[in-house]
Amino acid sequence: DQQVKQNSPSLSVQEGRISILNCDYTNSMFDYFLWYKKYPAEGPTFLISISSIKDKNEDGRFTVFLNKSAKHLSLHIVPSQPGDSAVYFCAARRIQGGSEKLVFGKGTKLTVNP
Amino acid sequence: NAGVMQNPRHLVRRRGQEARLRCSPMKGHSHVYWYRQLPEEGLKFMVYLQKENIIDESGMPKERFSAEFPKEGPSILRIQQVVRGDSAAYFCASSPPGGRGNQPQHFGDGTRLSIL
Repeated sequence: DQQVKQNSPSLSVQEGRISILNCDYTNSMFDYFLWYKKYPAEGPTFLISISSIKDKNEDGRFTVFLNKSAKHLSLHIVPSQPGDSAVYFCAARRIQGGSEKLVFGKGTKLTVNP
Repeated sequence: NAGVMQNPRHLVRRRGQEARLRCSPMKGHSHVYWYRQLPEEGLKFMVYLQKENIIDESGMPKERFSAEFPKEGPSILRIQQVVRGDSAAYFCASSPPGGRGNQPQHFGDGTRLSIL
């Protein structure tokens, strides 16, 4: 039962264009959503986040949009750069009974071609 | 300004041996989380600890797996009598104390466990 889904295993874009990575979730109890970037043989690196009470958060080239009614969020990277090539994980935070945990999607591998 | 430190980076064990994975959180962080990643999968939550306390171990198998975060020293994830299915990347994350603010969890580079 996957509560966070990233339906595109891979995405390829040209340098300078926009990259859009998508994520869907099923649990309305998630209160906070995060995007992590991961290079091979390294740990996930925090990129950007959004609270469930917001619909947009922007940080430089990265913008995250949240559509609560559709239980959908997306990460926009513009302009895309070759160094952005990595696996991007969507994660959702669940707080319950004094505990906190992140639920991750399976990731989308982004390739930015020069 | 060290981040989350995990060691060893790679660990090879034979079936039936014990594996010990260590995690030192970022400076000032007192919350530690362990996640496991199988190939082509996302990270799966295993356990959440604070100093000397296990807060949530709902993602950890009931047998052979244990975790601790002592008052002094790193957090340890211990796997006894390892089996081939334990082969995975194990990631540790930490976050600061202070309630449920929007502080992201920061991850270490993981330990790749291989079972022969």
